[in-house]
Amino acid sequence: GDSVTQTEGQVALSEEDFLTIHCNYSASGYPTLFWYVQYPGEGPQLLFRASRDKEKGSSRGFEATYDKGTTSFHLRKASVQESDSAVYYCALSDLGGGSNAKLTFGKGTKLSVKS
Amino acid sequence: EAAVTQSPRNKVTVTGGNVTLSCRQTNSHNYMYWYRQDTGHGLRLIHYSYGAGNLQIGDVPDGYKATRTTQEDFFLLLELASPSQTSLYFCASSDGANQDTQYFGPGTRLLVL
Repeated sequence: GDSVTQTEGQVALSEEDFLTIHCNYSASGYPTLFWYVQYPGEGPQLLFRASRDKEKGSSRGFEATYDKGTTSFHLRKASVQESDSAVYYCALSDLGGGSNAKLTFGKGTKLSVKS
Repeated sequence: EAAVTQSPRNKVTVTGGNVTLSCRQTNSHNYMYWYRQDTGHGLRLIHYSYGAGNLQIGDVPDGYKATRTTQEDFFLLLELASPSQTSLYFCASSDGANQDTQYFGPGTRLLVL
C-alpha cells in the first residue's frame, strides 16, 4: 500500500535557522502530496499541496517541490520563527477512482524553535 | 473554510465502557473521516464515509464502529473501550469537488482507565 516516510521525528532550531524536513513517499499511482501543520491544541490544517512533478507548493514562507524521480516532497523554510513551532505532517492522496479518497500521513515531525 | 466541531472535547471512561464521539460539519462536505493520533504513529485513519448511511473501513478499524446519520453528522463508537484506545481523536471533512483537502476538527482526548 501507499506510505509516507518522514525522517525526522523532532527538530530543534533557533530563530532564523534554515529548516528542512524530509519526506519520501511510496505510491502505486500519481498521488497528490501535502504538508499539514498542527499547532498546539488544534487540529491539523493544510499548509499547501502539489499535484504534479516539479510543482512547487508554498505558504507562509514554507515551500516544497514535488519530485517524482526521487519520490520526495521535502519541506523547507529559509528562516524559522518561534511561531513556527508545531507538528508538521507530510501526506499523500490516492484518489483511487474517486469514491475512496483518503490521505496517508507520515508520522509527523515536531518542530521546536527557540528565540 | 469548513467548520468541523467535535464533542466532547475530553472524555474519561473505564475499561469495558461505552463511548460515543460526535462530529459535525456545517459546510455540506460529502466526505467525513475519523483519525486517531498517537505519539510515534502520527495520524491513522479509523473509518470514513462519503455520505449519509455510507461507511468505509480505514487502516485501524478494530474495536471501533462508526455511523454517518446525516451529511453533517458522523459518530465514532467504542462499545467495549480498552486502554489501548486512549488517544486523541480527530474528525475531518472534505468536499466532493476538492476531495483530497481535508479540514480537521479540534480533537477529542479520550482516556480509558
